[in-house]
Amino acid sequence: AQSVAQPEDQVNVAEGNPLTVKCTYSVSGNPYLFWYVQYPNRGLQFLLKYITGDNLVKGSYGFEAEFNKSQTSFHLKKPSALVSDSALYFCAVRDMKREDSNYQLIWGAGTKLIIKP
Amino acid sequence: ETGVTQTPRHLVMGMTNKKSLKCEQHLGHNAMYWYKQSAKKPLELMFVYSLEERVENNSVPSRFSPECPNSSHLFLHLHTLQPEDSALYLCASSHDLYRGVYEQYFGPGTRLTVT
Repeated sequence: AQSVAQPEDQVNVAEGNPLTVKCTYSVSGNPYLFWYVQYPNRGLQFLLKYITGDNLVKGSYGFEAEFNKSQTSFHLKKPSALVSDSALYFCAVRDMKREDSNYQLIWGAGTKLIIKP
Repeated sequence: ETGVTQTPRHLVMGMTNKKSLKCEQHLGHNAMYWYKQSAKKPLELMFVYSLEERVENNSVPSRFSPECPNSSHLFLHLHTLQPEDSALYLCASSHDLYRGVYEQYFGPGTRLTVT
Protein backbone atom coordinates (compact mmCIF):
# COMPACT_ATOMS: atom_id res chain seq x y z
CA ALA A 1 0.00 0.00 0.00
CA GLN A 2 1.10 3.53 -0.69
CA SER A 3 2.34 5.45 2.33
CA VAL A 4 4.47 8.34 3.50
CA ALA A 5 6.35 8.34 6.77
CA GLN A 6 7.73 11.33 8.61
CA PRO A 7 9.47 9.55 11.46
CA GLU A 8 9.95 12.59 13.68
CA ASP A 9 7.01 14.39 15.25
CA GLN A 10 9.29 17.28 16.15
CA VAL A 11 12.74 18.50 15.20
CA ASN A 12 14.64 21.06 17.27
CA VAL A 13 17.49 23.02 15.71
CA ALA A 14 19.50 26.01 16.86
CA GLU A 15 19.39 29.07 14.64
CA GLY A 16 22.22 29.07 12.12
CA ASN A 17 22.65 25.30 12.17
CA PRO A 18 21.72 23.04 9.26
CA LEU A 19 18.35 21.33 9.45
CA THR A 20 16.94 18.11 8.04
CA VAL A 21 13.34 16.96 8.07
CA LYS A 22 13.01 13.33 7.08
CA CYS A 23 10.53 11.69 4.72
CA THR A 24 10.33 8.16 3.36
CA TYR A 25 7.71 6.80 1.03
CA SER A 26 6.30 3.60 -0.38
CA VAL A 27 4.62 3.54 -3.80
CA SER A 28 4.30 0.99 -6.57
CA GLY A 29 5.42 3.19 -9.44
CA ASN A 30 7.59 6.22 -9.97
CA PRO A 31 6.91 8.82 -7.31
CA TYR A 32 6.29 12.49 -7.65
CA LEU A 33 7.30 14.07 -4.33
CA PHE A 34 6.34 17.31 -2.65
CA TRP A 35 7.10 19.34 0.45
CA TYR A 36 4.67 21.83 1.94
CA VAL A 37 4.97 24.12 4.97
CA GLN A 38 2.21 25.31 7.28
CA TYR A 39 2.70 28.35 9.49
CA PRO A 40 0.40 28.83 12.50
CA ASN A 41 -3.19 29.69 11.56
CA ARG A 42 -2.40 29.42 7.88
CA GLY A 43 -3.00 26.98 5.07
CA LEU A 44 -0.26 24.89 3.53
CA GLN A 45 2.28 26.50 1.20
CA PHE A 46 4.13 24.65 -1.53
CA LEU A 47 7.93 24.51 -1.04
CA LEU A 48 9.28 22.24 -3.76
CA LYS A 49 8.65 19.13 -5.83
CA TYR A 50 10.56 16.33 -7.51
CA ILE A 51 9.30 14.92 -10.79
CA THR A 52 12.37 13.72 -12.64
CA GLY A 53 15.97 14.68 -13.35
CA ASP A 54 18.46 16.03 -10.83
CA ASN A 55 18.03 14.34 -7.47
CA LEU A 56 18.65 17.61 -5.63
CA VAL A 57 15.68 19.93 -5.87
CA LYS A 58 15.82 23.57 -4.79
CA GLY A 59 12.74 25.34 -3.53
CA SER A 60 11.42 28.39 -1.75
CA TYR A 61 13.02 30.13 1.25
CA GLY A 62 16.40 28.44 0.74
CA PHE A 63 15.07 24.91 1.21
CA GLU A 64 16.18 21.95 -0.85
CA ALA A 65 15.39 18.25 -0.88
CA GLU A 66 17.28 15.21 -2.04
CA PHE A 67 15.55 12.33 -3.80
CA ASN A 68 17.13 8.98 -3.01
CA LYS A 69 15.51 6.19 -4.97
CA SER A 70 17.37 3.32 -3.32
CA GLN A 71 16.41 4.51 0.15
CA THR A 72 12.95 5.71 -0.97
CA SER A 73 13.57 8.99 0.81
CA PHE A 74 13.03 12.67 0.11
CA HIS A 75 14.54 14.57 3.03
CA LEU A 76 14.11 18.33 3.31
CA LYS A 77 17.22 20.36 4.11
CA LYS A 78 18.44 23.87 4.70
CA PRO A 79 22.07 24.85 5.32
CA SER A 80 21.35 27.52 7.94
CA ALA A 81 18.08 27.60 9.90
CA LEU A 82 16.18 30.77 10.74
CA VAL A 83 13.77 31.26 13.64
CA SER A 84 11.14 32.12 11.02
CA ASP A 85 11.46 28.58 9.61
CA SER A 86 9.61 27.29 12.67
CA ALA A 87 6.46 25.67 11.29
CA LEU A 88 4.81 22.36 10.44
CA TYR A 89 6.25 20.56 7.43
CA PHE A 90 4.42 17.99 5.32
CA CYS A 91 5.81 15.53 2.81
CA ALA A 92 3.49 14.13 0.12
CA VAL A 93 3.76 11.74 -2.82
CA ARG A 94 1.81 10.97 -5.97
CA ASP A 95 1.95 7.39 -7.17
CA MET A 96 1.84 7.63 -10.94
CA LYS A 97 1.27 3.92 -11.34
CA ARG A 98 -2.13 4.02 -9.70
CA GLU A 99 -4.70 3.55 -12.40
CA ASP A 100 -7.43 5.17 -10.41
CA SER A 101 -7.06 8.62 -8.96
CA ASN A 102 -3.32 8.94 -9.56
CA TYR A 103 -3.78 12.66 -9.01
CA GLN A 104 -4.24 12.02 -5.29
CA LEU A 105 -1.52 13.04 -2.89
CA ILE A 106 -0.58 10.66 -0.09
CA TRP A 107 0.39 12.77 2.89
CA GLY A 108 2.70 12.33 5.83
CA ALA A 109 1.49 13.27 9.31
CA GLY A 110 3.76 16.30 9.49
CA THR A 111 6.88 17.29 11.41
CA LYS A 112 6.97 20.28 13.71
CA LEU A 113 10.20 22.19 13.22
CA ILE A 114 11.33 24.43 16.07
CA ILE A 115 14.25 26.76 15.53
CA LYS A 116 15.67 28.19 18.75
CA PRO A 117 17.52 31.53 18.81
CA GLU B 1 -1.51 34.08 0.02
CA THR B 2 -4.76 35.61 -1.28
CA GLY B 3 -5.03 33.22 -4.23
CA VAL B 4 -7.43 30.96 -2.33
CA THR B 5 -9.81 32.45 0.21
CA GLN B 6 -12.05 30.68 2.70
CA THR B 7 -14.91 31.92 4.83
CA PRO B 8 -15.62 31.81 7.66
CA ARG B 9 -12.24 31.40 9.33
CA HIS B 10 -13.84 30.07 12.50
CA LEU B 11 -17.17 28.34 13.00
CA VAL B 12 -18.84 26.93 16.09
CA MET B 13 -21.98 24.96 15.46
CA GLY B 14 -24.30 22.68 17.35
CA MET B 15 -24.98 19.16 16.22
CA THR B 16 -28.38 20.10 14.81
CA ASN B 17 -27.26 23.19 12.89
CA LYS B 18 -26.81 23.62 9.16
CA LYS B 19 -23.93 25.72 7.93
CA SER B 20 -21.81 26.14 4.83
CA LEU B 21 -18.13 26.72 4.21
CA LYS B 22 -17.11 28.77 1.20
CA CYS B 23 -13.95 28.68 -0.87
CA GLU B 24 -12.97 30.90 -3.77
CA GLN B 25 -9.85 30.67 -5.91
CA HIS B 26 -8.57 33.61 -7.97
CA LEU B 27 -5.91 31.64 -9.85
CA GLY B 28 -7.82 30.39 -12.88
CA HIS B 29 -7.31 26.77 -11.81
CA ASN B 30 -9.36 23.83 -13.05
CA ALA B 31 -9.24 21.59 -9.99
CA MET B 32 -10.47 22.20 -6.44
CA TYR B 33 -10.23 20.10 -3.32
CA TRP B 34 -11.64 19.84 0.21
CA TYR B 35 -9.39 18.41 2.92
CA LYS B 36 -9.90 17.70 6.61
CA GLN B 37 -6.89 18.35 8.84
CA SER B 38 -6.75 16.88 12.33
CA ALA B 39 -3.81 17.27 14.68
CA LYS B 40 -0.86 14.93 14.09
CA LYS B 41 -2.63 13.10 11.26
CA PRO B 42 -2.13 13.19 7.51
CA LEU B 43 -4.45 15.41 5.55
CA GLU B 44 -7.63 13.58 4.59
CA LEU B 45 -8.87 14.23 1.08
CA MET B 46 -12.64 14.58 1.14
CA PHE B 47 -13.74 15.74 -2.31
CA VAL B 48 -12.14 16.65 -5.61
CA TYR B 49 -13.63 18.61 -8.49
CA SER B 50 -12.30 19.01 -11.99
CA LEU B 51 -14.01 21.72 -14.04
CA GLU B 52 -17.02 21.63 -11.73
CA GLU B 53 -17.41 17.86 -11.99
CA ARG B 54 -16.95 15.81 -8.83
CA VAL B 55 -14.34 13.14 -9.41
CA GLU B 56 -13.68 11.93 -5.89
CA ASN B 57 -15.69 11.24 -2.81
CA ASN B 58 -13.51 9.46 -0.32
CA SER B 59 -16.19 7.66 1.65
CA VAL B 60 -17.19 10.89 3.31
CA PRO B 61 -20.36 10.78 5.47
CA SER B 62 -23.43 12.27 3.85
CA ARG B 63 -23.60 14.97 6.53
CA PHE B 64 -20.91 16.66 4.38
CA SER B 65 -22.25 17.81 1.01
CA PRO B 66 -20.03 19.60 -1.51
CA GLU B 67 -21.11 21.96 -4.24
CA CYS B 68 -19.09 23.45 -7.08
CA PRO B 69 -21.20 25.95 -9.05
CA ASN B 70 -18.25 27.06 -11.20
CA SER B 71 -14.51 26.48 -11.40
CA SER B 72 -13.78 29.38 -9.02
CA HIS B 73 -16.12 28.51 -6.16
CA LEU B 74 -16.46 25.54 -3.88
CA PHE B 75 -18.82 25.03 -0.98
CA LEU B 76 -19.05 22.46 1.78
CA HIS B 77 -22.53 22.18 3.27
CA LEU B 78 -22.66 20.82 6.79
CA HIS B 79 -25.63 19.36 8.68
CA THR B 80 -26.11 17.25 11.81
CA LEU B 81 -22.40 17.04 12.43
CA GLN B 82 -20.75 15.07 15.21
CA PRO B 83 -18.14 16.33 17.72
CA GLU B 84 -15.48 14.22 15.97
CA ASP B 85 -16.00 16.38 12.89
CA SER B 86 -14.28 19.24 14.68
CA ALA B 87 -11.14 20.01 12.66
CA LEU B 88 -9.51 22.45 10.27
CA TYR B 89 -11.12 22.26 6.83
CA LEU B 90 -8.84 23.26 4.02
CA CYS B 91 -9.72 24.16 0.48
CA ALA B 92 -7.10 23.89 -2.27
CA SER B 93 -6.84 24.36 -6.01
CA SER B 94 -4.41 23.31 -8.72
CA HIS B 95 -3.91 24.20 -12.36
CA ASP B 96 -5.20 20.90 -13.66
CA LEU B 97 -6.09 17.53 -12.22
CA TYR B 98 -4.98 15.14 -14.94
CA ARG B 99 -2.46 16.85 -17.19
CA GLY B 100 0.90 17.67 -15.68
CA VAL B 101 2.09 17.57 -12.10
CA TYR B 102 0.95 20.72 -10.42
CA GLU B 103 1.26 21.81 -6.85
CA GLN B 104 -1.80 22.66 -4.84
CA TYR B 105 -2.53 26.11 -3.48
CA PHE B 106 -4.29 26.17 -0.12
CA GLY B 107 -6.63 28.55 1.59
CA PRO B 108 -6.16 29.46 5.26
CA GLY B 109 -8.81 27.01 6.37
CA THR B 110 -11.96 27.10 8.48
CA ARG B 111 -11.54 25.99 12.09
CA LEU B 112 -14.74 24.09 12.83
CA THR B 113 -15.88 23.23 16.34
CA VAL B 114 -18.95 21.06 16.79
CA THR B 115 -20.55 21.30 20.23
